Amino acid sequence: EAQVTQNPRYLITVTGKKLTVTCSQNMNHEYMSWYRQDPGLGLRQIYYSMNVEVTDKGDVPEGYKVSRKEKRNFPLILESPSPNQTSLYFCASSPSTGPYEQYFGPGTRLTVT
Amino acid sequence: EDKVVQSPLSLVVHEGDTVTLNCSYEVTNFRSLLWYKQEKKAPTFLFMLTSSGIEKKSGRLSSILDKKELFSILNITATQTGDSAVYLCAVVFTSGTYKYIFGTGTRLKVLA
Repeated sequence: EAQVTQNPRYLITVTGKKLTVTCSQNMNHEYMSWYRQDPGLGLRQIYYSMNVEVTDKGDVPEGYKVSRKEKRNFPLILESPSPNQTSLYFCASSPSTGPYEQYFGPGTRLTVT
Repeated sequence: EDKVVQSPLSLVVHEGDTVTLNCSYEVTNFRSLLWYKQEKKAPTFLFMLTSSGIEKKSGRLSSILDKKELFSILNITATQTGDSAVYLCAVVFTSGTYKYIFGTGTRLKVLA
């Protein structure tokens, strides 16, 4: 089944404890992206990647890191999480580097206390 | 500043009503506009529009883009309770690479 998977789905952590949220797609998509969704603010793009080893900042990259060492994986790293990073995170991918529809993962609900 | 604005923010209708959701945008180097439906989970894709005046249809849903006036509408006819969701509009634009900007969404509630 073609899909985008994220792990973990739910995470409660404490301020300053490094964490990684994994994202993987099995559709051979080139474009991958991370979003956070907050009430009243909608979906905001954190980072995106056009292809392996090519990443770029979205609108809200502060406090996050990403890497794209393999085409299928695009992990999101929070080196020192803070409470303002409590949010619902979505990973997404699209078939090409063109302006195509994005397929979303199931989401990761992160709480930082 | 690039932005996408959706209206109304929320809407309550009764089954069988027709609704029109609006999405206006201001971006440089526009490439396409996408509509998504989100029901307490991941957004699911509805339409992608790239050309003005060409209506996309899928059952009771339809959408059209006006690139001159910089807006799109999503119409839902004969609404059903299953249409209750948040509808998201996203614009794809280029600044060397492709970026997506989402609106805050319109929350639609359809009453039986």
